[in-house]
Amino acid sequence: NAGVMQNPRHLVRRRGQEARLRCSPMKGHSHVYWYRQLPEEGLKFMVYLQKENIIDESGMPKERFSAEFPKEGPSILRIQQVVRGDSAAYFCASSPYPNPGSEAFFGQGTRLTVV
Amino acid sequence: GQQLNQSPQSMFIQEGEDVSMNCTSSSIFNTWLWYKQDPGEGPVLLIALYKAGELTSNGRLTAQFGITRKDSFLNISASIPSDVGIYFCAGRDGSSNTGKLIFGQGTTLQVKP
Repeated sequence: NAGVMQNPRHLVRRRGQEARLRCSPMKGHSHVYWYRQLPEEGLKFMVYLQKENIIDESGMPKERFSAEFPKEGPSILRIQQVVRGDSAAYFCASSPYPNPGSEAFFGQGTRLTVV
Repeated sequence: GQQLNQSPQSMFIQEGEDVSMNCTSSSIFNTWLWYKQDPGEGPVLLIALYKAGELTSNGRLTAQFGITRKDSFLNISASIPSDVGIYFCAGRDGSSNTGKLIFGQGTTLQVKP
């Protein structure tokens, strides 16, 4: 039973390019969370999605960032026109349901570097 | 917004020593979690706490959910070199039914053999 799979593990983009981060949740998990971790800081919640629905995007920047979790395929976090401040580790977590007692499992993250 | 204050920020200890770290919040939480993160990896759940006053152990690790519901601590007994890493507290308040977590800033633990 594979864990949460994120790819790529490392991504380098020039300023102004687009970054697409992928997350395949654990088998049977239909709830996905995205978090961002700046160097030497804790994780910050970005967005919570269920299949085909964005449930809570209160942590997403208002511009350039978007997320989706289609009926088929992985969840995608898209960052348009990246800037140096977007450089961070982005983690995806999945759970079978969001209630306490079924804590989400985290992937290994995608480390985005904007040059 | 809600914040978690985690302390200490870093610790450098001798193998065999006990370690204690804690986390406080500005608001009441109904869930406290403790994670460990190794370099280049994602956080791994160590202990989950769901009731005020709850004391839970996982091997050499012990964590407690404070009775005020605004704090939690993690103890590691008889530390070993593989305990090295960054430890994060995380919490969930009662107003959220989405499962999202608020994380502390982390405690970096180094163990000298």
